[in-house]
Amino acid sequence: SQTIHQWPATLVQPVGSPLSLECTVEGTSNPNLYWYRQAAGRGLQLLFYSVGIGQISSEVPQNLSASRPQDRQFILSSKKLLLSDSGFYLCAWSVPSPNIQYFGAGTRLSVL
Amino acid sequence: AQSVAQPEDQVNVAEGNPLTVKCTYSVSGNPYLFWYVQYPNRGLQFLLKYITGDNLVKGSYGFEAEFNKSQTSFHLKKPSALVSDSALYFCAVRPGSSNTGKLIFGQGTTLQVKP
Repeated sequence: SQTIHQWPATLVQPVGSPLSLECTVEGTSNPNLYWYRQAAGRGLQLLFYSVGIGQISSEVPQNLSASRPQDRQFILSSKKLLLSDSGFYLCAWSVPSPNIQYFGAGTRLSVL
Repeated sequence: AQSVAQPEDQVNVAEGNPLTVKCTYSVSGNPYLFWYVQYPNRGLQFLLKYITGDNLVKGSYGFEAEFNKSQTSFHLKKPSALVSDSALYFCAVRPGSSNTGKLIFGQGTTLQVKP
């Protein structure tokens, strides 16, 4: 069966420090991968998505970047964190059939 | 512009009563429609989806949703609410023209079920 791992679960970082959040998927090949941010426990904002290795699409201009070095690995990064980067970050994957996005457990990032 | 609306920030219902969480959408083509549930500090869990066929779809934990094309709605329902159903619910839609699997999410509705 397929599983998605996302870590760390919580992270507290000072302003100006770098960031690296990792997401890996097991049990499937060539998934579409997604990074979302959720602010204040409400709506989801799609940050990046990827349909293949090295293929990254950015949805909103921001202080973050994403990379997909391997088929089932998706990394969210920043060189210098801002206070506004705080939030709950969710990774998800899908395949064309059955075309359902499955989510990881999320990372709570606090930038202080 | 393509969008999903969940008009209620919060829905309150007594345990044992039926519940409805509303969702309307505006997208091009024939949409794929989804409901997800999120418990505090957790990821989203898939509940159910509609792609084609019977307008009433059944999902996990006794939930169901009715697709209404004329009203462009996809309301989530359950005949008898449980306290454990209290959570944040998201409606999402994939435009029919999309080939990336990208979803458009509503802003979420908090369901509060009181004993």
